[in-house]
Amino acid sequence: SQTIHQWPATLVQPVGSPLSLECTVEGTSNPNLYWYRQAAGRGLQLLFYSVGIGQISSEVPQNLSASRPQDRQFILSSKKLLLSDSGFYLCAWTERSPYNEQFFGPGTRLTVL
Amino acid sequence: RKEVEQDPGPFNVPEGATVAFNCTYSNSASQSFFWYRQDCRKEPKLLMSVYSSGNEDGRFTAQLNRASQYISLLIRDSKLSDSATYLCVVNGGRGSTLGRLYFGRGTQLTVWP
Repeated sequence: SQTIHQWPATLVQPVGSPLSLECTVEGTSNPNLYWYRQAAGRGLQLLFYSVGIGQISSEVPQNLSASRPQDRQFILSSKKLLLSDSGFYLCAWTERSPYNEQFFGPGTRLTVL
Repeated sequence: RKEVEQDPGPFNVPEGATVAFNCTYSNSASQSFFWYRQDCRKEPKLLMSVYSSGNEDGRFTAQLNRASQYISLLIRDSKLSDSATYLCVVNGGRGSTLGRLYFGRGTQLTVWP
């Protein structure tokens, strides 16, 4: 069966510090991968998606970036965090069909102080 | 106009009650429809897919009306454990980002004893 991992589970970082969140998927090949952010009391905002190694598309302009160095690994990064980057970061995967449901990792709760 | 709109609630119902959530979507080309459940401070989890003919899973019934671009979720015999936020989710349809899903902001349900 497929599983998706994210770490760390929680993170408290000062403004201006770098960020690296990692997501890995097991039990599948060539998944589509997604990074979402959910601010407190808000809906899910799609940040990045990837259809393959090295292929990243951004949905919104921001100071975040994403990379996919391996088929089942997706990394979210920032060089300098802003207060507005606080939120719940969720990684998700889906099979290659565009009609399938997405499955989410447990998320990383980031607080920028 | 938002892609997916839901009544945010909150819905507060006693155990055993029947409750219905509604959702509208704007893209007539959407092909896939889902309901997700999100517990407080947790990741969204797939509750059920929604099929054109309507479908039932135990106490949960989902309906789709393509002509009106309307999706519903009915929960019968509510349990305390049904307390959560329910997210209406729609895919982007042909020509959209591969696998792109659009999430409503969710409807909050609290079931009280």
